[in-house]
Amino acid sequence: SAVISQKPSRDICQRGTSLTIQCQVDSQVTMMFWYRQQPGQSLTLIATANQGSEATYESGFVIDKFPISRPNLTFSTLTVSNMSPEDSSIYLCSVGRGGQGETQYFGPGTRLLVL
Amino acid sequence: GDSVTQMEGPVTLSEEAFLTINCTYTATGYPSLFWYVQYPGEGLQLLLKATKADDKGSNKGFEATYRKETTSFHLEKGSVQVSDSAVYFCALSVDSNYQLIWGAGTKLIIKP
Repeated sequence: SAVISQKPSRDICQRGTSLTIQCQVDSQVTMMFWYRQQPGQSLTLIATANQGSEATYESGFVIDKFPISRPNLTFSTLTVSNMSPEDSSIYLCSVGRGGQGETQYFGPGTRLLVL
Repeated sequence: GDSVTQMEGPVTLSEEAFLTINCTYTATGYPSLFWYVQYPGEGLQLLLKATKADDKGSNKGFEATYRKETTSFHLEKGSVQVSDSAVYFCALSVDSNYQLIWGAGTKLIIKP
């Protein structure tokens, strides 16, 4: 398994500002994922972040809005840029070794409220 | 495309009742199947998984059997506790990139 921490755990932000969320893992992992979970909803994958390459974004998510960094095998950041109230969600990072059947391990999430 | 369908919640049960949360899937190829649980205010935890047909995953008294013939992976527990109150997500992976396809989640409420 892997132990994952996220910072901040929650934040309240003003519209038009940006927030950077950090994800730290206690071991080296191949694959890191960023998800959004809107209130009472399921998870939506934002992007896959692999070390040494550009993040791969899912349909409906763009790099200008959600820039991601992955400087090494234990750390990643997701920035939510130019926020609006529609960005109010839980943002989750997860990690995995890759390969079908392998478990993804999740961080505790960052609860973001945009006013 | 690949998809997961879960029974709608909330599901409300009394303590010690029998639990079933239905999950069916559509997938090309041979998916791996997962149940994750999200307790209030927390992230997701893997509850159990199965990687091939007829496998049974089990953990903390919960069980689910991978049924290829009915494309199902129903979650069961014989006697639920108040502490089992949470949201349960069924998910599958078929992709070599290891993306998970998620169900909508089922909120479970256990009353004492």
